[in-house]
Amino acid sequence: EVRLVQSGGGLVKPGESLRLSCAASGFGVLGYDMSWVRQTPGKGLEWVSSISNSGSYIYYSQSVRGRFTISRDSARNTLFLHMRSLRVEDTGVYYCARALEVVTTIFGYWGQGTLVAVSS
Amino acid sequence: EIVLTQSPATLSLSPGESATLSCWASQNIAVHLAWYQHKPGLAPRLLIYDASNRATDIPPRFRGSGSGTDFTLTISSLEPEDFATYYCQHRHTWPVSFGQGTRVEL
Repeated sequence: EVRLVQSGGGLVKPGESLRLSCAASGFGVLGYDMSWVRQTPGKGLEWVSSISNSGSYIYYSQSVRGRFTISRDSARNTLFLHMRSLRVEDTGVYYCARALEVVTTIFGYWGQGTLVAVSS
Repeated sequence: EIVLTQSPATLSLSPGESATLSCWASQNIAVHLAWYQHKPGLAPRLLIYDASNRATDIPPRFRGSGSGTDFTLTISSLEPEDFATYYCQHRHTWPVSFGQGTRVEL
């Protein structure tokens, strides 16, 4: 069974950093395209970042490029999102997602979400 | 960058009625469109991919159609558990993006 269990959210001040984790089971994180999607207050879903199964391709939304870094750890079978220089507008629920098939940006499986709150 | 526009923003319906949700793309995206259901406090759920393919365990009352720039999600005979927000999402080019959502409410 495919499972994604998230951790690492919390309350931080503007300019601070945070790392989100997404522990996978039932498959290997190196075997599929993986992504982060967020929902900000009062808004809908927003794609944040994706990493290809090979790791050769990494993409970021314009709103986070240069501040967020997506990565994977095969030993822990975990996907990460390193967030720095956080802004109030980064507040929201962050979801990790696995591709439906090996290489695709159809988000077939989702983590439970983790809340990131950025406030002074 | 491709923009997806969903209509209407809110749909007020009763159980047993049918819902028709629209999603327009700012340029041709072939059939590279998915639909998701999202309920408060839960993870989004993939319903339809590549415009018309139902995901695993999705009941047949959910039907996706369209290609190019115009897409539709039809929910025939709404069940109580179908009241939620629905998002379309394209994967045609980077950056991928979501529509702003349609809330289906009682």
